[in-house]
Order: sequence, then C-alpha cells, then structure tokens
Amino acid sequence: AQSVSQHNHHVILSEAASLELGCNYSYGGTVNLFWYVQYPGQHLQLLLKYFSGDPLVKGIKGFEAEFIKSKFSFNLRKPSVQWSDTAEYFCAVLYNFNKFYFGSGTKLNVKP
Amino acid sequence: NAGVTQTPKFQVLKTGQSMTLQCAQDMNHNSMYWYRQDPGMGLRLIYYSASEGTTDKGEVPNGYNVSRLNKREFSLRLESAAPSQTSVYFCASIRGKEQYFGPGTRLTVT
Repeated sequence: AQSVSQHNHHVILSEAASLELGCNYSYGGTVNLFWYVQYPGQHLQLLLKYFSGDPLVKGIKGFEAEFIKSKFSFNLRKPSVQWSDTAEYFCAVLYNFNKFYFGSGTKLNVKP
Repeated sequence: NAGVTQTPKFQVLKTGQSMTLQCAQDMNHNSMYWYRQDPGMGLRLIYYSASEGTTDKGEVPNGYNVSRLNKREFSLRLESAAPSQTSVYFCASIRGKEQYFGPGTRLTVT
C-alpha cells in the first residue's frame, strides 16, 4: 500500500527562523504532490501543489517546496517564519489520479 | 456559493447509537471523499465516490456506510457507534486533482 511519511511531528521555531519540513512517499507510479495547512480549529487549506514541470514550486504565504524524484521527497520550506504560521502542516500524495494519501502531519509552533 | 458544507458541526453519541453525517457541495464536482482525522495520524480515507451512484472503500471503511444520494450530497453513516470512532470527520469535494474541504464534524462517542 502507498504511504506518506512526515518525519517531523512537532517543530518549534522562533520568528524569522527558516523552516524545512520533510515529506517522503512510497513509490506508486504517477504522483501529484500537495502541502496543506490547518490552522487551529479550521479545515485544511491548500498551500501548494506539484503536478509536473519545474520541481521547485511556490505557494501562498511565502512557502515553497521542492520535488526530488530520486529521493521520493517533497519538502516544504519557508525562509523566515512568522508567529501566524503556527499551524499543522500535512503532505499529501495523489497516486495514479486515483486516491489521496496524507502524512501524519507536523505541528509547527512559532514563538514570537 | 457555499463550497462544501457539513452537518452537524459537533455530535456526542453513546456507544451503540447510530447517526448520519451529511455533506453537500455546490460546485458540481463528480468526486467526493470522507476522511477521519485523528491526532498523529493525519487524514485517513474512509470512503469515496468517484461519481453519482458509485462508492468505494478507502483505508478505514469498517464500521461505516456511505450513500451518494445525488451529485451534491454524500452522507456517512455510523450504524453502531464505538469509542474508536471518536474523531473529526472531513468531507472533501474533488475537481481534477484538487480537493476542497468542508469545515468538519467533531464526533465524540462515549
């Protein structure tokens, strides 16, 4: 079965620090990759997505992610985090245009 | 244009009770999904419907049933609730490769 791994379960950063959250997925044919954010008490919102083309994708709120096919990875980055980035972040993979699989999530706590 | 709506927002059930979670979308999408979200486990797919009249099992279908009543509505039923079904349930509507999530239903089974 396909799987998505997020190795950082809880990350604590100070404002202005740089962020990188890891995401790895199991091989399963054609993949489309996503990062979602969930602010406390809210539903998931799309941060960015990768379908094809340039492996470095830019999303909303200054986030970006890099797809490295050889490593089955799609890591999320932000050069300088803000307190308002405190949230839970989920990596998701769409396999073969069929089913979505989510990682277990990373809780980010940004200290002001 | 409400997007994806879910009712109820909160529910408390006793073990063995039944209930139906409702989901509706007004975006004319064909595919709809039901997920449950548990701490440390992300979102897990319960059932999905690729089009009106079809439903398929996801990762964790046991204890649930679904109905795709029409293109707009996709309901999730718990026939005999168990404490292990305490969770937050999200419905999503899919257009192509993109998901649009509802606000969620927080269910507690005591």
